[in-house]
Amino acid sequence: DTGVSQNPRHKITKRGQNVTFRCDPISEHNRLYWYRQTLGQGPEFLTYFQNEAQLEKSRLLSDRFSAERPKGSFSTLEIQRTEQGDSAMYLCASSSSSGTGETQYFGPGTRLLVL
Amino acid sequence: SQKIEQNSEALNIQEGKTATLTCNYTNYSPAYLQWYRQDPGRGPVFLLLIRENEKEKRKERLKVTFDTTLKQSLFHITASQPADSATYLCALAGYNFNKFYFGSGTKLNVKP
Repeated sequence: DTGVSQNPRHKITKRGQNVTFRCDPISEHNRLYWYRQTLGQGPEFLTYFQNEAQLEKSRLLSDRFSAERPKGSFSTLEIQRTEQGDSAMYLCASSSSSGTGETQYFGPGTRLLVL
Repeated sequence: SQKIEQNSEALNIQEGKTATLTCNYTNYSPAYLQWYRQDPGRGPVFLLLIRENEKEKRKERLKVTFDTTLKQSLFHITASQPADSATYLCALAGYNFNKFYFGSGTKLNVKP
């Protein structure tokens, strides 16, 4: 169990550029979540995968955001045409639907700065 | 839409005392309520989960209560230590764990 990993850890981009983040969950975990967190706030839910199926997506998420989990293992989150308001920490979490499935394990996050 | 409130002001207590943090929610009936710890620059770490039909849960120095009538959870850390200083988040979830709603967290400072 190496924990949840996220890459890159930091990303600086210019407004209008596209960015992609990767999340590698704990290997046996079938649930995967993406969150966004800004300073002084709690994590804000973005989307949820069970295996490769995207089962939940926040209504607050604009069409510029898309996420995939093609083989039910790693996941990517892409933001197109970034805006300064997208600057935040993007967190990934995974859990298992069996056993103590309610425990989410978070990665270290990807900090995005849009100039 | 659901609203989760945690005290936005930092809680400052002396080492050895009991810290009590509050989580209030409206417009939602969670099946589960969780508490997490978050240190600066890091992802949250799961601490405890309590189910809607449970009143209290304990784990070592931690205790969580859940009152679905008041729509409130209390999180207690007994015999607090400076190492307990962090931000504590509550999170609500439904039966299928498809989505979690987090509060904004309360920063706890334990002074030696």
